[in-house]
Amino acid sequence: DGGITQSPKYLFRKEGQNVTLSCEQNLNHDAMYWYRQDPGQGLRLIYYSQIVNDFQKGDIAEGYSVSREKKESFPLTVTSAQKNPTAFYLCASSRGQPGGNQPQHFGDGTRLSIL
Amino acid sequence: SQKIEQNSEALNIQEGKTATLTCNYTNYSPAYLQWYRQDPGRGPVFLLLIRENEKEKRKERLKVTFDTTLKQSLFHITASQPADSATYLCAPTSGNTPLVFGKGTRLSVIA
Repeated sequence: DGGITQSPKYLFRKEGQNVTLSCEQNLNHDAMYWYRQDPGQGLRLIYYSQIVNDFQKGDIAEGYSVSREKKESFPLTVTSAQKNPTAFYLCASSRGQPGGNQPQHFGDGTRLSIL
Repeated sequence: SQKIEQNSEALNIQEGKTATLTCNYTNYSPAYLQWYRQDPGRGPVFLLLIRENEKEKRKERLKVTFDTTLKQSLFHITASQPADSATYLCAPTSGNTPLVFGKGTRLSVIA
């Protein structure tokens, strides 16, 4: 079955540590995205990538970093500079270029908590 | 700046009735509008996409309207069932930018 796999489902981080969230897709989609969702809030865009080795900042990129070395993979690193990292993180992908005419396929998220 | 409002945080309706969810947007003119369903602890799932030149779109028990004059989309679920209980997100978006989502409306269908 084609889809997006995010791992792990739950992740705990000590203050001052960097942590990397995994996102893999086998849909052959060009574009990939990372969102953050807080209780009572909508999805906020962290980073997105339209093609391998290229990515753009979203609305809340500070304290995060990404890489896109393979079409299938778009890992997100939450750095120690992110002061409030506790949240539900969602990865998505879409065909072609980012735009409202392309539905997005989402993974089932990683819930990050600070110990 | 762009602003998206979805009606009330929660909507409770009786099984069998039609649920109507509202999505209003201001300060921009999206060419497309998408609706998603999200269950607790899961990622959103795409439901429907409607273009600015389409007034209405249907899929099984779902119907979406897009009124660019009112800057509003209505999302209807007819003959609602308890299994329809979820949070529904709208995303009014332009043609060449990543999706922008509303905060969602939590729908509870009571048997």
